[in-house]
Amino acid sequence: DGGITQSPKYLFRKEGQNVTLSCEQNLNHDAMYWYRQDPGQGLRLIYYSQIVNDFQKGDIAEGYSVSREKKESFPLTVTSAQKNPTAFYLCASKISPAKRNTEAFFGQGTRLTVV
Amino acid sequence: GENVEQHPSTLSVQEGDSAVIKCTYSDSASNYFPWYKQELGKRPQLIIDIRSNVGEKKDQRIAVTLNKTAKHFSLHITETQPEDSAVYFCAVKGDSGAGSYQLTFGKGTKLSVIP
Repeated sequence: DGGITQSPKYLFRKEGQNVTLSCEQNLNHDAMYWYRQDPGQGLRLIYYSQIVNDFQKGDIAEGYSVSREKKESFPLTVTSAQKNPTAFYLCASKISPAKRNTEAFFGQGTRLTVV
Repeated sequence: GENVEQHPSTLSVQEGDSAVIKCTYSDSASNYFPWYKQELGKRPQLIIDIRSNVGEKKDQRIAVTLNKTAKHFSLHITETQPEDSAVYFCAVKGDSGAGSYQLTFGKGTKLSVIP
């Protein structure tokens, strides 16, 4: 179902803790993205990566970090510096930014709640 | 950066009627305009897209129109059915700089089709 998998589906974090969200794709896509979804806010870009070992900040990168050590994987760490981390997080991938106007495929999302 | 406005935020229609959702954007260099449908608790999925060299595109009951001069594009759903009930997001991708590598999303429209 789309070939892009996020885990876990639900995640609870205590205040002050870092937490890492997993995103794996088997579509051989070069580009991967992390979005945050809040009610009434649409999807806002956190980070994106065009190629292995490269990534760029999106519109709301503060308090988040990413890595891209493998083409298939693009984990997102929500750090304690993120003031309001409770949200629904979506990972996406697409063939390549160079083939620009192509479909982005989304994972099923991770709902993070700070307790 | 790109600014995308989507209206209305909520829309209720009777089954069988048409629904129209409109998005405006700010960057005249934008060249790709996809629409995503997100059912409750599920991932966003592409339903139709249009490129800047085309004014209209149809796929069965769904159509998208683009007015590049006015910088707006619209999603049209005819003969609506209860299974069309979902949140719909428009998105825009630019043609230069950082905007050429990322989609900017509208805030979404919650469509309810009343049987």
